[in-house]
Amino acid sequence: AQTVTQSQPEMSVQEAETVTLSCTYDTSENNYYLFWYKQPPSRQMILVIRQEAYKQQNATENRFSVNFQKAAKSFSLKISDSQLGDTAMYFCAFMGDNTDKLIFGTGTRLQVFP
Amino acid sequence: SQTIHQWPATLVQPVGSPLSLECTVEGTSNPNLYWYRQAAGRGLQLLFYSVGIGQISSEVPQNLSASRPQDRQFILSSKKLLLSDSGFYLCAWSHAPNYGYTFGSGTRLTVV
Repeated sequence: AQTVTQSQPEMSVQEAETVTLSCTYDTSENNYYLFWYKQPPSRQMILVIRQEAYKQQNATENRFSVNFQKAAKSFSLKISDSQLGDTAMYFCAFMGDNTDKLIFGTGTRLQVFP
Repeated sequence: SQTIHQWPATLVQPVGSPLSLECTVEGTSNPNLYWYRQAAGRGLQLLFYSVGIGQISSEVPQNLSASRPQDRQFILSSKKLLLSDSGFYLCAWSHAPNYGYTFGSGTRLTVV
């Protein structure tokens, strides 16, 4: 069974600095999809970024980028120029190629300080 | 544009009482629908998903059930709530799951 592990329960960063959130996963599939979701205090889950495993190029969305290491089964999220509004829980998620079910990690709580 | 609605936002129910949480999607047809539960300190656990009216798949055997009486309506129910049913319940929809889900705003359920 696929699993997603986020080993950092909490992290903090100063405004305007860069922070990296870690995520590892376990799968025997060759093609799959990886996601990072943000859950701010409002509790609404928001899709931040998506990566297709067969694409070697790392996905980027404005200040958010990923470091996808397929061999290491690692999928970290880098937030550049952190803003107070980035304060949230961040969830890493996995979806196999032959399913439409998202499997989530336990989340990392990120606090951005002024 | 597509929108997803969940209600109620918060709910406090006594042990043994019934439960009905509703989720509706607007602006699309034949969506895939999902119910997740988020317990404190844990990730999101998939409870049920549906690919069409009356088609429900259960991921975790438990005290809950789901129904899809209409194309864009997904209901989470229980006949008798347990303390362990407390948590944050999220509904989500997707047309192309490989591109991720769109989540509702969630229901905070506290069983007392």
